[in-house]
Amino acid sequence: GAGVSQTPSNKVTEKGKYVELRCDPISGHTALYWYRQSLGQGPEFLIYFQGTGAADDSGLPNDRFFAVRPEGSVSTLKIQRTERGDSAVYLCASSLTVNTEAFFGQGTRLTVV
Amino acid sequence: AQRVTQPEKLLSVFKGAPVELKCNYSYSGSPELFWYVQYSRQRLQLLLRHISRESIKGFTADLNKGETSFHLKKPFAQEEDSAMYYCALNSGSARQLTFGSGTQLTVLP
Repeated sequence: GAGVSQTPSNKVTEKGKYVELRCDPISGHTALYWYRQSLGQGPEFLIYFQGTGAADDSGLPNDRFFAVRPEGSVSTLKIQRTERGDSAVYLCASSLTVNTEAFFGQGTRLTVV
Repeated sequence: AQRVTQPEKLLSVFKGAPVELKCNYSYSGSPELFWYVQYSRQRLQLLLRHISRESIKGFTADLNKGETSFHLKKPFAQEEDSAMYYCALNSGSARQLTFGSGTQLTVLP
């Protein structure tokens, strides 16, 4: 079966614009995670969903970042008023339940110019 | 706050030589630790977790609470082991992972 799918794979946007990044988890996986990976660093946790609700959003850096998962499957990470410092690879992962292996997507490379 | 440190950004060894990738952590609770691997042009994937105490692709890692370490070891490196390796600490009830900055392993022929 298909793994975690993220679209787009690459996104270039201008400073100040709004962007949406999409994540399609593995079918049936109830937990979904967003991470951000800056150049030369390991992934950094942003937010985690259990079903439709955000169970932990402690990693979101500020209120320009928001994520939704309205039907408990696909999730969208939304970034308002993008800044150059938001440039990174945004990774999505999903797991069957909260304590099982998390499978990662290929990531979306966001470049803010 | 939790922290994971991988002191080596780059590590090169010759094929057949032993390899050890270092990982140290700081965490006030009972840690759950993982090693993830990313091969060239592939997605990040789980290599092993400390509670399963298993050997994957010849790699093992032992949690040393006294030294707060979780080093990854393999007695005889293979060229196909060349990849980026990340040590990670689970600090939440799910998979809210704190990653180290990674070690790029190159196994030379």
